[in-house]
Parts: sequence; structure tokens; C-alpha cells
Amino acid sequence: SQQGEEDPQALSIQEGENATMNCSYKTSINNLQWYRQNSGRGLVHLILIRSNEREKHSGRLRVTLDTSKKSSSLLITASRAADTASYFCATVNQTGANNLFFGTGTRLTVIP
Amino acid sequence: GAGVSQTPSNKVTEKGKYVELRCDPISGHTALYWYRQSLGQGPEFLIYFQGTGAADDSGLPNDRFFAVRPEGSVSTLKIQRTERGDSAVYLCASSLGTSGHGYTFGSGTRLTVV
Repeated sequence: SQQGEEDPQALSIQEGENATMNCSYKTSINNLQWYRQNSGRGLVHLILIRSNEREKHSGRLRVTLDTSKKSSSLLITASRAADTASYFCATVNQTGANNLFFGTGTRLTVIP
Repeated sequence: GAGVSQTPSNKVTEKGKYVELRCDPISGHTALYWYRQSLGQGPEFLIYFQGTGAADDSGLPNDRFFAVRPEGSVSTLKIQRTERGDSAVYLCASSLGTSGHGYTFGSGTRLTVV
């Protein structure tokens, strides 16, 4: 079963603009991760934020986490055409098991 | 190896046949995960190994699905009596096995049951 949902399901922006994707989840978490997927094949890990962290940066990526609202956001600044992909959030729950539960994904299209 | 390797990359099989999908994780990664992804959906958890044992197999949809990891490295996902609904991309990932680390995914096996 999937843990959460991303919003929006699809997003189309011009190159150079910022892209914001939101993720909501259902249970208490240990950490939340964002992944990128091109062409429906392998996923690439982008960033991990722990439940006791509120914000994290990595290059052009900024992730926030609000555990009270069970939500996270991924911001990609100064987008490029190469950022076109599907983006998924995934959570590791507090149950002790280390497996990831993925959301439904946001399809981002960056128009050159 | 440098990454997670999955073979075959594509598999077409007839309904009712048996298939095996292989995953070769990153050397030293104790945790290995199998996911299934249908078109337009997020990956769906199937099973998670810590070492040789299945730590959580709650995602396996039914008893036609089985996975092994006999030596704590390579894993095989086995599907018996395949059905058209089993068609999907099967993804494998590995990690260091402790929380706080991201997973490394393979490129997946696209299974098509005709």
C-alpha cells in the first residue's frame, strides 16, 4: 500500500522558474525521502529529512517537513529542462521496519 | 558492483508461466527491497530483506509471489502461474540497512504477461 499523496499530480513550468511539489502522509515517520524517476525506470535518491528536522537544502533543492501536518514540500529553484521527471516522496515509518512507502508522484515538465 | 543490477531488463511471458527476476545489490548493503510499479503509480512495496531473512513480506500480493536471498547478497523474486495483472516494472533497491540512508535502486525489470 502507498503511504501518501503528492500534489499536484502534474506540473508544467518554464525553464528558470521554481517548482514546488507537496507530499502528505498518514503515519508517524522516522524520516522522509524524495526521489526522482525518469522514464518509469530506476529511482534516484535526492534528499532525506529526519523527523526532527524542519528544513534541508541540497544544491537547488529545498525540502521542508511539518510533522504536525504530516506534510513535506520539495522546492526546485531555477529549474532546467533536465529536471523534467517524476518526483516521489517516500516515508520510513516509526514501526521499526526500514522499508519505504511511496506516494503517488508529481510529473514535472520544464519547458525550455 | 557500483550499482544495483537487475536482470533481465525486460521479460515477456505467457499467462500461467513461471518467471524469476534477479537483483544484484551493492556490495556491503545488508538491506534489499523489492517494489512493483504500475504505469502512472508510485512504487508499491513487496518485500524487504535484512541479510538472508525476509524482515517484512507483507507487501507480497498473494502466494504466487515468493522471494529469496540465500546468501545475503543476490535476491530472486519468483512469480508462479503469472497473470496479466502481474505486468509491471519490478524494482529492486538496496541500502546499508539502517534508517537515515537513502536507497539505491536498480533500473528495474519490465514484466509483460501476455
